[in-house]
Amino acid sequence: NAGVTQTPKFQVLKTGQSMTLQCAQDMNHEYMSWYRQDPGMGLRLIHYSVGAGITDQGEVPNGYNVSRSTTEDFPLRLLSAAPSQTSVYFCASRLVSTGELFFGEGSRLTVL
Amino acid sequence: SQKIEQNSEALNIQEGKTATLTCNYTNYSPAYLQWYRQDPGRGPVFLLLIRENEKEKRKERLKVTFDTTLKQSLFHITASQPADSATYLCALTDTGFQKLVFGTGTRLLVSP
Repeated sequence: NAGVTQTPKFQVLKTGQSMTLQCAQDMNHEYMSWYRQDPGMGLRLIHYSVGAGITDQGEVPNGYNVSRSTTEDFPLRLLSAAPSQTSVYFCASRLVSTGELFFGEGSRLTVL
Repeated sequence: SQKIEQNSEALNIQEGKTATLTCNYTNYSPAYLQWYRQDPGRGPVFLLLIRENEKEKRKERLKVTFDTTLKQSLFHITASQPADSATYLCALTDTGFQKLVFGTGTRLLVSP
């Protein structure tokens, strides 16, 4: 019973590099989202999706792109990484009809 | 803008006592309030959801209250155990559950 799976768990990038954080869920959840968690800031919503082909911005979307081609996958792309994007990233999913979010274990990203 | 406040100082209590954590919010009229538990290096785990028209919700040793006049939720853990030591996050959302806004969390330490 995998739930929400995030890869990689750890990543170090240089400023200007690009990368994709992967998120997959096997619970047939329509809603998926990405949060970043920084000390003293709490979890902040980056982007979310209510179904395949539908995405929308959260509180802190700048510097990040997302797409949702399947129900299962919701990758987060950093096109040109900046030190300010050093953070722990969490993917979460839920059924549209309920509020309970299921989180992945997180991806710790360091941008030098 | 919306603001959610949780005590940033850790709460230290003895095993067997009742732990009470506070969540205050401003500039928001949420339809739902949720509580999550987060262990170090892990993703948050859902605990309880309470609706704006509910005063109180219970689940085993957990109790949540929601006072929309005071704009405050209290989260109680009765007969606390060392295994309850974690960070507890409150989160607010509107009726559509589209954007869940999190507080910064309060760390609970239960000593034997």
